[in-house]
Amino acid sequence: QKEVEQDPGPLSVPEGAIVSLNCTYSNSAFQYFMWYRQYSRKGPELLMYTYSSGNKEDGRFTAQVDKSSKYISLFIRDSQPSDSATYLCAMTNAGNNRKLIWGLGTSLAVNP
Amino acid sequence: DAGVIQSPRHEVTEMGQEVTLRCKPISGHDYLFWYRQTMMRGLELLIYFNNNVPIDDSGMPEDRFSAKMPNASFSTLKIQPSEPRDSAVYFCASSFAGGSTGELFFGEGSRLTVL
Repeated sequence: QKEVEQDPGPLSVPEGAIVSLNCTYSNSAFQYFMWYRQYSRKGPELLMYTYSSGNKEDGRFTAQVDKSSKYISLFIRDSQPSDSATYLCAMTNAGNNRKLIWGLGTSLAVNP
Repeated sequence: DAGVIQSPRHEVTEMGQEVTLRCKPISGHDYLFWYRQTMMRGLELLIYFNNNVPIDDSGMPEDRFSAKMPNASFSTLKIQPSEPRDSAVYFCASSFAGGSTGELFFGEGSRLTVL
């Protein structure tokens, strides 16, 4: 079993839909949780960052962490065609926080 | 800022040839990472440096792979000899100690095809 599991999709939704992307993990020591967005033929870029449990909102994006269930989510409201990309979750513990553990990524297509 | 710069963007080579990938991190960043991305295995950390010193190379697949960082503004990843299974996109990323934990700045990648 991988340390971080992420459904690769692909996920296809109509413009304006609410999108839910998820990752599960097995290491209870993880404290820092990130969502990266990767456009085709580009490098990943940090989208959201959360420490420990709770929610964080940034515009149309909300990141949630449930440490008791070892489950993190990214919600995209009012999805746009420009949101079409691969979304990767990443996480790390506090002691070795430069070495991120990554999910495989979920491919999302938002159709106009 | 120009961002992380990688070269070449594309490389096609034949099995057995030496491949050298290059990276210029963002000025002022003190961490540099080399990643490999494939569909099957996703993003894999190969090696990372702090202040030009290799900190963790446990992800380097085998002795055919080597990485150097002779100064704060340049790093190379070398594969010798190359094999078809090395075909992947290789990313360089950098970060700075004062930044958010887990915030890496990636280059656009070097797409390697070994025939």
